Amino acid sequence: NAGVTQTPKFQVLKTGQSMTLQCAQDMNHNSMYWYRQDPGMGLRLIYYSASEGTTDKGEVPNGYNVSRLNKREFSLRLESAAPSQTSVYFCASSETQGYEAFFGQGTRLTVV
Amino acid sequence: GENVEQHPSTLSVQEGDSAVIKCTYSDSASNYFPWYKQELGKRPQLIIDIRSNVGEKKDQRIAVTLNKTAKHFSLHITETQPEDSAVYFCAAIRYDYKLSFGAGTTVTVRA
Repeated sequence: NAGVTQTPKFQVLKTGQSMTLQCAQDMNHNSMYWYRQDPGMGLRLIYYSASEGTTDKGEVPNGYNVSRLNKREFSLRLESAAPSQTSVYFCASSETQGYEAFFGQGTRLTVV
Repeated sequence: GENVEQHPSTLSVQEGDSAVIKCTYSDSASNYFPWYKQELGKRPQLIIDIRSNVGEKKDQRIAVTLNKTAKHFSLHITETQPEDSAVYFCAAIRYDYKLSFGAGTTVTVRA
């Protein structure tokens, strides 16, 4: 049982490059989330998807876009990477509102 | 939107002592309050949670209390052990599925 799988685990980008972080869950969860984690700032919500077909902005959506491709997959796209987007990115999923969220292993992104 | 504040940011305790972490939330519509533990280099994992219709919940050495009127909730760890050293996050979720986290508390248990 894989749970939540993120790819890639590590990535280095040059300023201005674009990339997509992939996330897939095999628990038949309805809700999915993207967070970024920076030292001293906790987990900040970028975007979330309450259910298949819906997406909403979180606390720090600027510079990102998301796609809920189907119930299993929720991708995060950086159109033009900036050094301020250097961070560890976590994807998470939960059955629905008010249930445990399970996290992926994280993606460490460095923008130079 | 929901704003979750967490204190303290760091906490050092002697092994065997208790540790208390406090969080406040801003949106009275929040109804689910989980706590996550993150060990160095690993993903956050749920350790305990509480719903808005419950005032207190306990699981072995860990307990959580909720005061809806004051909009704050706390994590209590008793008889701390070295393996309790980690970063702890509180969180709150609203009816619209937005799950917001506090900034985290780094707990160090001294042997």
